[in-house]
Amino acid sequence: KQEVTQIPAALSVPEGENLVLNCSFTDSAIYNLQWFRQDPGKGLTSLLLIQSSQREQTSGRLNASLDKSSGRSTLYIAASQPGDSATYLCAVSGNEKLTFGTGTRLTIIP
Amino acid sequence: EADIYQTPRYLVIGTGKKITLECSQTMGHDKMYWYQQDPGMELHLIHYSYGVNSTEKGDLSSESTVSRIRTEHFPLTLESARPSHTSQYLCASGLAGGLETQYFGPGTRLLVL
Repeated sequence: KQEVTQIPAALSVPEGENLVLNCSFTDSAIYNLQWFRQDPGKGLTSLLLIQSSQREQTSGRLNASLDKSSGRSTLYIAASQPGDSATYLCAVSGNEKLTFGTGTRLTIIP
Repeated sequence: EADIYQTPRYLVIGTGKKITLECSQTMGHDKMYWYQQDPGMELHLIHYSYGVNSTEKGDLSSESTVSRIRTEHFPLTLESARPSHTSQYLCASGLAGGLETQYFGPGTRLLVL
């Protein structure tokens, strides 16, 4: 059974700093890995999707990497802003279903 | 922005009532999903559908039921609500094939008294 772990569970950093969120998964037989953002009381917004054959994807200040063989992914956020404060969820896709991690709650301090 | 809608957004209801949470998408996606999320916890898949007349149970056992009579509509029903059903319910849809992202609705926050 696929298990997804995200470390740390919570992170606070001053505005402007670069930061890295980590995600690990136990079964490397995945179709893709996705990073989502969830604001309090809201649904999920897809940030980046990395296909299993890819190693990274970039969107603006966000960069996600995937090392399928070691079961790890990172989400790099450059020049953090208060608007980046949210919970970030990692999810892996296998058999057309997503398995989610518990998320990292990020707070950017102005 | 994805066109997937959930109603109601918030629901407070007494024990024993029957409730239906609505989910609709206008993207023509074949696949639709229901997730349950307790505060601060991960999302758990409770139901999914690959298309009209297709419904499957997810990884987390749930007393709810679903139906898929139309492509765009995937309602979730609780015949008799209990306090243990208090949670957030998120609906999602996606293309077939497993290579694309899922699009999520805003969720329904359910409180059963």
